Amino acid sequence: DGGITQSPKYLFRKEGQNVTLSCEQNLNHDAMYWYRQDPGQGLRLIYYSQIVNDFQKGDIAEGYSVSREKKESFPLTVTSAQKNPTAFYLCATHGAGTWNSNQPQHFGDGTRLSIL
Amino acid sequence: AQSVTQLDSHVSVSEGTPVLLRCNYSSSYSPSLFWYVQHPNKGLQLLLKYTSAATLVKGINGFEAEFKKSETSFHLTKPSAHMSDAAEYFCVVSAGNQGGKLIFGQGTELSVKP
Repeated sequence: DGGITQSPKYLFRKEGQNVTLSCEQNLNHDAMYWYRQDPGQGLRLIYYSQIVNDFQKGDIAEGYSVSREKKESFPLTVTSAQKNPTAFYLCATHGAGTWNSNQPQHFGDGTRLSIL
Repeated sequence: AQSVTQLDSHVSVSEGTPVLLRCNYSSSYSPSLFWYVQHPNKGLQLLLKYTSAATLVKGINGFEAEFKKSETSFHLTKPSAHMSDAAEYFCVVSAGNQGGKLIFGQGTELSVKP
């Protein structure tokens, strides 16, 4: 989706290191999401934010942190507490209103994180 | 609680033959349902969505899906597979009154043989 930019495309983490994945959107969407994708497990929700300066834990938040200081940006930090960080990370947005579940999410092209 | 089950982890078809990817859902609300496609190392692209209008939903690239409430199913079909259809497909249900939150199926990998 051209309106959501994830960077970098590939990222390598050393032992004990924190790394930050970037997600920027120009769709003017209020809600943003971070998912982790592992082979054969579909997508699992890490964190989400429905408005600036507010965010909630998803199903697998341990070892991750986020911030939402601007509407356009929702960076994800993978901390050293996340012992198995190797995965494909996807950022998504949703712009149809906080309680409107009829509209789809829009996805970025992902960041693949590996351990060195 | 909402959930979704994709009945096949892998489907293989020959080019030019029909495609059927099966999905069952569980929802305590009137659900919104989506099918997404993912090509390798890419994000998810929306194929189609059902939001309580017509039960037969047409999407992009010739795909369509039929919502059957009595069977709690939302199977994805295409009359004739193309090589470019080879990808992973996800059936997704909205999480009810939690705004845009989604519940994803495990995915079905579609292979297309020449």
